[in-house]
Amino acid sequence: QVHLQESGPGLVKPSETLSLICTVPDGVISSHYWSWIRQPPGKGLEWIGYSHYTGSTTYNPSLKSRLRLSVDASENKFSLKLSSVTAADTGIYFCARTRGDWLDSWGQGILVTVSS
Amino acid sequence: QSALTQPASVSGSPGQSITISCTGSHIGDGTYDLVSWYQHHAGKAPKVLIFEGNKRPSGISQRFSASQSGNTASLTISGLQIDDEADYYCCSYTGFYVFGSGTKVTVL
Repeated sequence: QVHLQESGPGLVKPSETLSLICTVPDGVISSHYWSWIRQPPGKGLEWIGYSHYTGSTTYNPSLKSRLRLSVDASENKFSLKLSSVTAADTGIYFCARTRGDWLDSWGQGILVTVSS
Repeated sequence: QSALTQPASVSGSPGQSITISCTGSHIGDGTYDLVSWYQHHAGKAPKVLIFEGNKRPSGISQRFSASQSGNTASLTISGLQIDDEADYYCCSYTGFYVFGSGTKVTVL
């Protein structure tokens, strides 16, 4: 397993873009797919999507029109951008390493609140 | 994406065994067979307990085991401990990840 750390603004205004970064240890980012998962307050986990340094991505269909995931191998980081956010996008956002059918390493999560 | 249904809560006393079910119409039909299980203590990183249906990652206690029958996957926690009190999620993968609704385990 590897240590992952999410970072980004904790407060985003409605209609704006939520941007988060996950930092990965040296030497592993090019070898795996990298996922984002979120948890709305009081609710369960929702998978957002995953990305690869080659540019390959797979998105949750419910978020696809607003979502952009990418990987910057030179910076050992991968990122999430979710546009046109509403209060329904409030929650804890986790990054995780994808290992085929399972997610073997997770960050602690970052709380993002959408509010004016 | 098919929904995965879990009981909202399960409880047990220390030392007992409990089982959490995860039911989905596609489990067992060859498309949603790759079920994994995660433990989540609030404020901490979720932790994988089981992958590929019944395999434990290195470092996960043998007290956690999983099985599958028909369209239901199950996670059993044996020798329940105080620290097992957490939320548990099943997850299936067929190119998309789908999480179960989650089960809160309470140790009485």
